[in-house]
Amino acid sequence: KAGVTQTPRYLIKTRGQQVTLSCSPISGHRSVSWYQQTPGQGLQFLFEYFSETQRNKGNFPGRFSGRQFSNSRSEMNVSTLELGDSALYLCASSFNAENTGELFFGEGSRLTVL
Amino acid sequence: AQKVTQAQTEISVVEKEDVTLDCVYETRDTTYYLFWYKQPPSGELVFLIRRNSFDEQNEISGRYSWNFQKSTSSFNFTITASQVVDSAVYFCALSGYNNNDMRFGAGTRLTVKP
Repeated sequence: KAGVTQTPRYLIKTRGQQVTLSCSPISGHRSVSWYQQTPGQGLQFLFEYFSETQRNKGNFPGRFSGRQFSNSRSEMNVSTLELGDSALYLCASSFNAENTGELFFGEGSRLTVL
Repeated sequence: AQKVTQAQTEISVVEKEDVTLDCVYETRDTTYYLFWYKQPPSGELVFLIRRNSFDEQNEISGRYSWNFQKSTSSFNFTITASQVVDSAVYFCALSGYNNNDMRFGAGTRLTVKP
């Protein structure tokens, strides 16, 4: 069974640009969550999607957005990039929206903003 | 508000030593889940254990054991007879009962030297 797949794994952008990250959950999983990991702030929850609907949102500015498609694949977008957006972005999937099981994480997309 | 504190930033032990990673949490919820995750250098977070707030039984899985004490809001993790492969960053996390918005601690970097 394939794990959570995130693309791209590494990318470099400059300030002011925008970026789109993709996440393919484990087959059959309907919930996708996104987390940002930085040395200073640690792991922070961005948002969660279930059945194409955003269920929860963390404390991030509106430049961070996401969506989920009918096949449960998810994308997150960051517009007007800032240096502080440099981070490892982790996607996690689970079977349903209720926290009855563990989250399965991908290896992340490492974004560097210059 | 939910908060997880892992006071130990880094721990270094020699192989075969026992090591305990501390986790203290804060929550106003009466029902919640606690987790431990392992993050090897590859970046992917690996689920280790989930414990719900109603179950205070300690758990042992091979060389791993967990001590959940609701009275002190702690969920400590012990590795017995540590091995070099245990070297990683370990995260304690807390979530509400019906969502995947997890609050992570800052992590403890464990280094096991041969």
